[in-house]
Amino acid sequence: DTAVSQTPKYLVTQMGNDKSIKCEQNLGHDTMYWYKQDSKKFLKIMFSYNNKELIINETVPNRFSPKSPDKAHLNLHINSLELGDSAVYFCASEGASGYTFGSGTRLTVV
Amino acid sequence: GNSVTQMEGPVTLSEEAFLTINCTYTATGYPSLFWYVQYPGEGLQLLLKATKADDKGSNKGFEATYRKETTSFHLEKGSVQVSDSAVYFCALKGQGGSEKLVFGKGTKLTVNP
Repeated sequence: DTAVSQTPKYLVTQMGNDKSIKCEQNLGHDTMYWYKQDSKKFLKIMFSYNNKELIINETVPNRFSPKSPDKAHLNLHINSLELGDSAVYFCASEGASGYTFGSGTRLTVV
Repeated sequence: GNSVTQMEGPVTLSEEAFLTINCTYTATGYPSLFWYVQYPGEGLQLLLKATKADDKGSNKGFEATYRKETTSFHLEKGSVQVSDSAVYFCALKGQGGSEKLVFGKGTKLTVNP
């Protein structure tokens, strides 16, 4: 069983489109995150949710909207995609033993 | 705010060479410190961690010691293998339940046979 699973693994889309990335964790963790990894491998936190409530929003453009229907899911919806949104997006959950990351979603905007 | 500075790569070594990747941090109080590894095409995996001063984290032959006096958490391995080729991230999490995990910029390691 995959602990933190993201779908899709790859996403290629045109500028201006709206897309979603889904994340689910089966670890029973209360806190989930979205991170963005740019082409230079730099990881930056975007959002943090604790038990469905937004805790951290790191000045991400409001085209990005996280949604947490329950504490096991944290989805990321992106409106009006731009070229600069191309990156790998990682979901993670946090529990007593630390962070567990998903395998990432590579988003390419063309 | 909290921050992590790690040596820039890329680092290229021959198999069985000694590895050091430097990491220093800025934080108030006593943060927890981590090393994560990202193999090609995969997500991040926790490699090791230390939660208080002088703690040594170790895993798969890698070690790092939490040095409060030098605010450092350098990663070392005595004899690297080709399979260690990956990107290594130093990270810290401040004290307090609402603190986030902050990453360094990552160091790409390539080990040649």
